[in-house]
Amino acid sequence: DAKTTQPNSMESNEEEPVHLPCNHSTISGTDYIHWYRQLPSQGPEYVIHGLTSNVNNRMASLAIAEDRKSSTLILHRATLRDAAVYYCILSLETSGSRLTFGEGTQLTVNP
Amino acid sequence: NAGVMQNPRHLVRRRGQEARLRCSPMKGHSHVYWYRQLPEEGLKFMVYLQKENIIDESGMPKERFSAEFPKEGPSILRIQQVVRGDSAAYFCASSPEGSVNQPQHFGDGTRLSIL
Repeated sequence: DAKTTQPNSMESNEEEPVHLPCNHSTISGTDYIHWYRQLPSQGPEYVIHGLTSNVNNRMASLAIAEDRKSSTLILHRATLRDAAVYYCILSLETSGSRLTFGEGTQLTVNP
Repeated sequence: NAGVMQNPRHLVRRRGQEARLRCSPMKGHSHVYWYRQLPEEGLKFMVYLQKENIIDESGMPKERFSAEFPKEGPSILRIQQVVRGDSAAYFCASSPEGSVNQPQHFGDGTRLSIL
């Protein structure tokens, strides 16, 4: 499975933007970039996904580098409720539909 | 719309007993996935099922574990003769199709504790 690399942890202040980076240098042309997050004692929650173009939804924005070897999840105004582990995952055609979760980034939001 | 429903939320079993975990996918979803999260570890894929068919069981332990998704009713993950190492959170997810271009929607899991 293609691997993603994320920082172990990041910190932000409430109501400030947060940029969560992800490197995926071995990505292939048909692999989608997915982001999920997991709050304590809950199941993973889908955040956003994309292939080549930047994507926006009500939760976040996804900025994908032109060469697709990296991407950034952007939370425009962090709230305390955004404190979670954020996972960047490549959804691979070759792996069928299974998601391969890495270590993720633990985001702490300070009041 | 109800999300993915898993029950029970917590399950306690003694070593050697059987554990049955249930998952009702979101309405209109015919694809179900099971993942396991061991204490202090990440989420690991176990099995992917479509109605009445196992599509990918590459993450399932070879013994004691089985999964089904019948035509009617919830998906069941069954663990026979449980051992302490089976203690974990088991998450189910569903999607309308098995496409890499679709998100998976997760339930809040069943936390299995083995005494």
